[in-house]
Amino acid sequence: NAGVMQNPRHLVRRRGQEARLRCSPMKGHSHVYWYRQLPEEGLKFMVYLQKENIIDESGMPKERFSAEFPKEGPSILRIQQVVRGDSAAYFCASSPPGQTHTKEQFFGPGTRLTVL
Amino acid sequence: EDQVTQSPEALRLQEGESSSLNCSYTVSGLRGLFWYRQDPGKGPEFLFTLYSAGEEKEKERLKATLTKKESFLHITAPKPEDSATYLCAASSWGKLQFGSGTQVVVTP
Repeated sequence: NAGVMQNPRHLVRRRGQEARLRCSPMKGHSHVYWYRQLPEEGLKFMVYLQKENIIDESGMPKERFSAEFPKEGPSILRIQQVVRGDSAAYFCASSPPGQTHTKEQFFGPGTRLTVL
Repeated sequence: EDQVTQSPEALRLQEGESSSLNCSYTVSGLRGLFWYRQDPGKGPEFLFTLYSAGEEKEKERLKATLTKKESFLHITAPKPEDSATYLCAASSWGKLQFGSGTQVVVTP
């Protein structure tokens, strides 16, 4: 009964490169959320997705960041042309189908991105 | 503007010394108040969900309560393994808005 899986756990990129972070939700979960935790700051919502749909991207930076959750395969958070300020822990969470605003979200272990 | 505020920022307890953590919120359309525990280098671990004022939930040495403006996490007779950062989050239409957390250290 695997939980939320994220990979890689650690990712190092140089400025200007692309970062791809992957998230496989818990079995039976159809909703995926991405959060970012900057050093010494709290968790901040980025985006909420269902299969093939972006439901809420109000927390996503306007440029360089994108997310998808295809019909098959994991959810992907993509950061183009990374800058040092993108260095953070990125967490994925999932919840079961139903009334999502009342459902618990279960978090993965996170991907720690370091931009050199 | 929606806001979730936790206090204190840090709490140092002797083993067995009970205490409470506070989470105050101003969130329009609140759908649930969540408590998580986060250990260093790990993802948040779900503890409780509270939906309405007056509701209480318990798990081992932890008890969470909810009023119309705040939630409390009571830690009764804590042990060193209860050392962690405790996060509260308000749910509004799917996304969670987190407080900055209370870092709890329990010493033997």
